[in-house]
Amino acid sequence: GAGVSQSPSNKVTEKGKDVELRCDPISGHTALYWYRQRLGQGLEFLIYFQGNSAPDKSGLPSDRFSAERTGESVSTLTIQRTQQEDSAVYLCASGGLAAYNEQFFGPGTRLTVL
Amino acid sequence: TQLLEQSPQFLSIQEGENLTVYCNSSSVFSSLQWYRQEPGEGPVLLVTVVTGGEVKKLKRLTFQFGDARKDSSLHITAAQPGDTGLYLCAGLSSGTYKYIFGTGTRLKVLA
Repeated sequence: GAGVSQSPSNKVTEKGKDVELRCDPISGHTALYWYRQRLGQGLEFLIYFQGNSAPDKSGLPSDRFSAERTGESVSTLTIQRTQQEDSAVYLCASGGLAAYNEQFFGPGTRLTVL
Repeated sequence: TQLLEQSPQFLSIQEGENLTVYCNSSSVFSSLQWYRQEPGEGPVLLVTVVTGGEVKKLKRLTFQFGDARKDSSLHITAAQPGDTGLYLCAGLSSGTYKYIFGTGTRLKVLA
C-alpha cells in the first residue's frame, strides 16, 4: 500500500505570497499531524486532526497559518503572507486512533521563502 | 513549556564503536518514541516505550525509558555506516495526542 504522500516536494515563493501544502495520509488512518522542521533541528508540532473531532491547533505559530482536513482524507496546510522565517521542511504524518500509535511520515515539503 | 533535550547534538564515530544518545526532560511523558531520519525523508519509528524502567532491544539497538518517565536513552552496539542519520526522541504529553520532539542527535558512522 502507498505511504503518506506530500506535494509539492519543493516550493520556492516570494515573501508575502500565500502557499498551500498538501498531505495525502495512509488510507484508514484517523490521525493526521503537521510538523515544521527547520534546518538541522527537531520537529515542531503545528496541528493535529483526529477523525471528526475538533483539531488541536495549539502549535500553529501565528494566524497566518491554517490547516484543514476533510473527514479522514486529504489535509492542506496554508501559509498566508509568507515570511523568510517560514522557510523549513513541512512534514505530515498519519496514524491510528491510539495516541501512542506509530506515526507514518511523508517525505515533506521543502519551503523556501525568498 | 515541555522540552526534550538530546545529547550529544553531533556524534562522529568509527565503525564498530559503541555509543549512547540521551533524551532528557523535566516533564513526565505517557510514552516515548525514538525515530531515525535520513536526508530528504521523513522520520521512521524505531521503538515505543511506555512503562517507566522499560528496556527494549532491537538487534544492536537498546532503548531504555527512565523510571520516572522523564528521560530515555538509546545505546547502539558495534555501530555500522548504515546507522548514520538523525535520531529523534518524541515524548507524548499526558492526556493529549501531542508529541514533543527532541532537538535531535546527528550520528555519522565512518567505515
